[in-house]
Amino acid sequence: GESVGLHLPTLSVQEGDNSIINCAYSNSASDYFIWYKQESGKGPQFIIDIRSNMDKRQGQRVTVLLNKTVKHLSLQIAATQPGDSAVYFCAENTDDYKLSFGAGTTVTVRA
Amino acid sequence: DAGVIQSPRHEVTEMGQEVTLRCKPISGHNSLFWYRQTMMRGLELLIYFNNNVPIDDSGMPEDRFSAKMPNASFSTLKIQPSEPRDSAVYFCASSLAGVGEKLFFGSGTQLSVL
Repeated sequence: GESVGLHLPTLSVQEGDNSIINCAYSNSASDYFIWYKQESGKGPQFIIDIRSNMDKRQGQRVTVLLNKTVKHLSLQIAATQPGDSAVYFCAENTDDYKLSFGAGTTVTVRA
Repeated sequence: DAGVIQSPRHEVTEMGQEVTLRCKPISGHNSLFWYRQTMMRGLELLIYFNNNVPIDDSGMPEDRFSAKMPNASFSTLKIQPSEPRDSAVYFCASSLAGVGEKLFFGSGTQLSVL
């Protein structure tokens, strides 16, 4: 399944499939990006980050891709599991210390 | 490590009352942030402290809101008087350096002002 940034705030994916969550960021000067996962009733939880001098970074079952040319960030989740159901936020470092968060994409995993 | 600890988890109060939210950052972290989350506005930064000093409070909505950090292990966010439009989830987050470093969030305080 694939979402298109802030224009499609929900994503439904079959368990076991790969998920792709997209994010368009606003500031071409942003040099640091983070993906957070927020489960119901909890605070945002760090998933993975990437700095602007990189195009790709991999973690455990997750990959973040950064395309600075079109100011686009994506999060790929491999073999999506029920525990991956949550709201996913991208965040960009727009100032020395400020993180600007996107609206979030709700991911629902179908059994 | 216990992570960022916030209290209370839930707060229900009446309009006009004073509300105090509390936060204990992760030990050793020198930056602390207060965020507010609503469906309409998402996650908004209210105030940022570095080494216990408020650096940027431009996100604090009104004079009714105030925040303090008397020491490295404690911060409060106070709303006086509270209004129904203040109803939201308030998160505290801390980081090691603040500049381009990942934030660790607490579980938040769900505030309802009736």
